[in-house]
Formats: sequence, C-alpha cells, structure tokens
Amino acid sequence: DAGVTQSPTHLIKTRGQQVTLRCSPKSGHDTVSWYQQALGQGPQFIFQYYEEEERQRGNFPDRFSGHQFPNYSSELNVNALLLGDSALYLCASSFAESYNEQFFGPGTRLTVL
Amino acid sequence: RKEVEQDPGPFNVPEGATVAFNCTYSNSASQSFFWYRQDCRKEPKLLMSVYSSGNEDGRFTAQLNRASQYISLLIRDSKLSDSATYLCVVNLQGGKLIFGQGTELSVKP
Repeated sequence: DAGVTQSPTHLIKTRGQQVTLRCSPKSGHDTVSWYQQALGQGPQFIFQYYEEEERQRGNFPDRFSGHQFPNYSSELNVNALLLGDSALYLCASSFAESYNEQFFGPGTRLTVL
Repeated sequence: RKEVEQDPGPFNVPEGATVAFNCTYSNSASQSFFWYRQDCRKEPKLLMSVYSSGNEDGRFTAQLNRASQYISLLIRDSKLSDSATYLCVVNLQGGKLIFGQGTELSVKP
C-alpha cells in the first residue's frame, strides 16, 4: 500500500515564475491538506481539499491556489514566485471522517532564486 | 503571539536521560492535540495523540492541561534514535493542523 507521494522531490525556480506541485494521497484517503515549512520552522497550513473543493484555507495570499481531482490527487500552484516562497512543501492526506490522522508525504523542496 | 509555542532547544542529553518538552497553545477552541516527530529533511510523522487523561506509549508519556492550554511530552531512557525534532500540534477544526516551531533533541552516547 503506497503512502502519500509527491512530485517533484526538488525544484529550482526564479522569481516571478510559476510552479505546480503534485500529491497523490494514501490509498483510500479523500482529503488532502498542503503545508509550507520554512527552514527552522514548523509546517504552516496552506489549504485543504475535499470533494474537489477548497474547504479550509490558512493565511496565504491568492498566489497560492490548488486543485483536487476526482481520484483525490491534488496540485498546489504558486504564481509570481518570491524568494520567501523557498521552503519544503508538504502534502498530507486523511479520511474526511478522521481528520486527526494525517499522513504526510516526503515533500517537495522548492528553491526560488 | 504564536498559536502554538515551543522551546526550540536544542536539547542535548546523554543516552538514558529523561527529557521533557513543553508546549502552550493560544486558541481555547482547539479540538485535538498531537506530538509529531520529524527527522532531518524528512516529513513529520505522528508520534502520539495527547489526551486530558494523559497517555503513555512505551517510553513516551504525553499530557494535556486544557485549563492551562499546556501540552507536554516526556521521554524516558533516551536512545540515540530519539534524536529528532519534536513538533507540538493542535487541530483547530476539521483537520487544520497548527504546528509549533519544533524542539530539537540530540541524544549523545
């Protein structure tokens, strides 16, 4: 049973560019949450998707957007990249009925130059 | 004020030591509480949930005081393999996890 997978593992972009990160949830999970983890900090909640809709959102600008597909996989898009967007982006999946148990993927490390 | 606050450490302890981590949270509406462990450059993994009655898992004991909005984690008989960052986490509502900064633990031989 595959756990949460994310792609790519690493990415280097320049300021102003756009990036798309991908996440496949653990088998059977229907809810996907995205987190940003800057160096030396704990992860920060970006948003959560369930039934292909954004259900909750953290304190992130509109440059951060997402999507969930019918197979429950998800994408995180970031437009007009800033240097401060450099971070580890983590995807977590769970059952909608049991938000408490969230399983994290290995993350995508984004570097913005 | 941060929603979840932890002492960032690092805590440097010898093998066999007992170490305690503390955490406070600001939102009294927080619904559930956890400790996650994160190894260097890896994803966070759930260590244990935290209940008001206190709970134990082997060498690990977690406690929650809702009145004080305080969470703790005690590790007894530390092992080298316990070296990691320990993240205090609260679930505000519907799976929106709020993480503390993390406390780094280094267990030395």
